[in-house]
Amino acid sequence: KQEVTQIPAALSVPEGENLVLNCSFTDSAIYNLQWFRQDPGKGLTSLLLIQSSQREQTSGRLNASLDKSSGRSTLYIAASQPGDSATYLCAVRGQGETSGSRLTFGEGTQLTVNP
Amino acid sequence: NAGVTQTPKFQVLKTGQSMTLQCAQDMNHEYMSWYRQDPGMGLRLIHYSVGAGITDQGEVPNGYNVSRSTTEDFPLRLLSAAPSQTSVYFCASSYSFLVGYEQYFGPGTRLTVT
Repeated sequence: KQEVTQIPAALSVPEGENLVLNCSFTDSAIYNLQWFRQDPGKGLTSLLLIQSSQREQTSGRLNASLDKSSGRSTLYIAASQPGDSATYLCAVRGQGETSGSRLTFGEGTQLTVNP
Repeated sequence: NAGVTQTPKFQVLKTGQSMTLQCAQDMNHEYMSWYRQDPGMGLRLIHYSVGAGITDQGEVPNGYNVSRSTTEDFPLRLLSAAPSQTSVYFCASSYSFLVGYEQYFGPGTRLTVT
């Protein structure tokens, strides 16, 4: 059974710092990995989608990498801002998954960027 | 596009009551699904649909029913609410269930069962 772990569970940084969020998964047979942002009391906003054949994706100050063989992904946030404060979730779509397009989620990293 | 919309935003039920959580998308997406989010458990798939008229069970389907009569709508029915169903429910959609497509989530429904 696929398991997704995110470390750290919480992170507090001063504004302007570059930071890395980590995601690991136990079964490397995945189709893709998606990073989401969740603000308190809100839904999930998709940030980046990395296909299994890709090594990284970039969007603005965000860069996500994928090392499928080692079961790891990182989300790099450059020059963090207070508006980046949120919970960041990673989710994988496994090849062996029988439930359609089921995503297996990690529990998230709660990020606080202090002014 | 409104994207994925869910109603209601909040709901309180008594044990044994039934209700329907509504989900709609205006992106002509083929694939729709329901997740629940619980502390310490992450998000778990309840039911999903790969197209109108086709539904199937996910990881935690017990106590829930779904139907997909149109491409746009995918309601989730709680048959007889239990306190264990207190959770935040998210509806998601994707252009296709085939690999490679991004999934989009609605704002969620916070359900409390007393």
